[in-house]
Amino acid sequence: QKEVEQNSGPLSVPEGAIASLNCTYSDRGSQSFFWYRQYSGKSPELIMSIYSNGDKEDGRFTAQLNKASQYVSLLIRDSQPSDSATYLCAVSRNSGGYQKVTFGTGTKLQVIP
Amino acid sequence: KAGVTQTPRYLIKTRGQQVTLSCSPISGHRSVSWYQQTPGQGLQFLFEYFSETQRNKGNFPGRFSGRQFSNSRSEMNVSTLELGDSALYLCASSLLAGGVPDTQYFGPGTRLTVL
Repeated sequence: QKEVEQNSGPLSVPEGAIASLNCTYSDRGSQSFFWYRQYSGKSPELIMSIYSNGDKEDGRFTAQLNKASQYVSLLIRDSQPSDSATYLCAVSRNSGGYQKVTFGTGTKLQVIP
Repeated sequence: KAGVTQTPRYLIKTRGQQVTLSCSPISGHRSVSWYQQTPGQGLQFLFEYFSETQRNKGNFPGRFSGRQFSNSRSEMNVSTLELGDSALYLCASSLLAGGVPDTQYFGPGTRLTVL
């Protein structure tokens, strides 16, 4: 079992729709959760971070965390073609005095005009 | 505040050569992590440095090494390059105050091609 699992996609949604990206993780001691967006040939850029159960909203983006189910998701409302990218889920914990960060392999999102 | 910078942005080397990549973290950030990204494997953790000490290392051969300087700048070195080392090498910095898991901010990466 991978430590952080994401469906590789591609996930195709029409412009204006809601895109739902999912991520599960295996380490129950995980403390911090991040979503990064990565355009082809570019480096990952942070979209959202979430630390406690529930929803966190930032503009068109909503991150949802359920630690009991070891599940974190990202919703993108009113999807735009510019949202087409690979979305990486990252999970972090403090392990032996250092931060252990594990990334999923990413979900490719395609927003169709 | 300036972001994470990496140099060079692109490198072409031949098998057997060695290469050194450089990373300057965001000002005030003390933790620097290195990742290798390939289409098939995704982001693979190489190592993490904090206050000039390597604190964590991923599952890469000893040909991959790194160091951190007193100003938090970091370098990674790959010796005896192999074709499979062709990848995007990413550096990420974080504040890591008090050891609490913190956001990592990525540099633009160095695209290494081994011929």
